[in-house]
Amino acid sequence: QLQLQESGPGLVKPSETLSLTCTVSGGSISRSSYYWGWIRQPPGKGLELIGTIYYSGSTYYNPSLKSRVTISVDTSKNQFSLKLTSVTAADTAVYYCARQGAGSYNWFDPWGQGTLVTVSS
Amino acid sequence: DIQMTQSPSSVSASVGDRVTITCRASQGISSWLAWYQQKPGKDPKLLIYAASSLQSGVPSRFSGSGSGTDFTLTISSLQPEDFATYYCQQANSFPFTFGPGTKVDIK
Repeated sequence: QLQLQESGPGLVKPSETLSLTCTVSGGSISRSSYYWGWIRQPPGKGLELIGTIYYSGSTYYNPSLKSRVTISVDTSKNQFSLKLTSVTAADTAVYYCARQGAGSYNWFDPWGQGTLVTVSS
Repeated sequence: DIQMTQSPSSVSASVGDRVTITCRASQGISSWLAWYQQKPGKDPKLLIYAASSLQSGVPSRFSGSGSGTDFTLTISSLQPEDFATYYCQQANSFPFTFGPGTKVDIK
């Protein structure tokens, strides 16, 4: 059974860089037909796709965040990572990683349990 | 970006009720729509994909329909474990966007 687990600091200072890693277990991140994504949810609010990556390194970033986002993949560790620079309080959210189908099957399943990142000094 | 709207934003219902949630896309997305269920403090769970296909393991009381711009999620007989927030997501074009959610709570 495929499982995803987010890890990283729960508190980041304003203007600094948020860094998270998603570890995939129960399956290979290098399997074709799947992308791997980051999605966030501010407290009490809805879901926002940050971006996705293919095992080859091909990425898609949400234009609303593109200037601040980098998603990378480490196939040797079966992990992919998120970096978000110049964070503000508006970036406070639960950050989820999830598997996305490739081609036209662009829905997300399964998801990690999520990790709350708070931006505060 | 394709904007997604949902109605109602919340609904109060009783166990056994039939509940219908509507999702509308700002432009046509064929059948490229998914529905998720999210319980407090938990990650979203995929219920329906491609507008009407039931994800493996999801009870058959959940069903989806629609194409183009208008979609519905129906729970035929609400069960205690169904009280949650439901989100639609368009899977037609990047960036994939989600609706604002519909909270189903106990009447």
